[in-house]
Amino acid sequence: DVKVTQSSRYLVKRTGEKVFLECVQDMDHENMFWYRQDPGLGLRLIYFSYDVKMKEKGDIPEGYSVSREKKERFSLILESASTNQTSMYLCASEGVFTDTQYFGPGTRLTVL
Amino acid sequence: EDQVTQSPEALRLQEGESSSLNCSYTVSGLRGLFWYRQDPGKGPEFLFTLYSAGEEKEKERLKATLTKKESFLHITAPKPEDSATYLCAVLGGRDDKIIFGKGTRLHILP
Repeated sequence: DVKVTQSSRYLVKRTGEKVFLECVQDMDHENMFWYRQDPGLGLRLIYFSYDVKMKEKGDIPEGYSVSREKKERFSLILESASTNQTSMYLCASEGVFTDTQYFGPGTRLTVL
Repeated sequence: EDQVTQSPEALRLQEGESSSLNCSYTVSGLRGLFWYRQDPGKGPEFLFTLYSAGEEKEKERLKATLTKKESFLHITAPKPEDSATYLCAVLGGRDDKIIFGKGTRLHILP
């Protein structure tokens, strides 16, 4: 079974803090994704990565950056957290030959 | 414009009352259609992938079907534990990317 884990289930941060969200997958998948999910807006793609040290902007990259130093790990960074970044953050991974994304449990981030 | 629309937004059923959820899409060059189940506060759990019109997949009380314009998720004799949000996603389109629908919230009353 594919296993995608995220570093925290719940996180509370203050405006202006730097926030790191980490995602690890154990299936040797090449592709990894970060989404945020908000009521009424559905899932929106922030960034994705097709390989180590590679990153591509998704639909809403502003205010975020990512890091992929190892194949199994994909980090999402909020350089200076703002209240409008309060959301559920979901990481997903996908193998090159499967086309199916498998999701982690999510991190509920609250920025005060 | 590439779009995925799910209906209804919310559905309440009595236990045992069968129904269907709809996912319609306007995406050229469909490469795959995916169904996920999402429980409150959790990540989406993969259910099915469908690749071509006419294809069907089944798992317990769920059956997914695909035509050239839409997919249905049929739920037969549902139980309260089937209550969740069901997400549909389509891979393809002008940018060859995955597009998610906003989901159908399903509530099964005991």
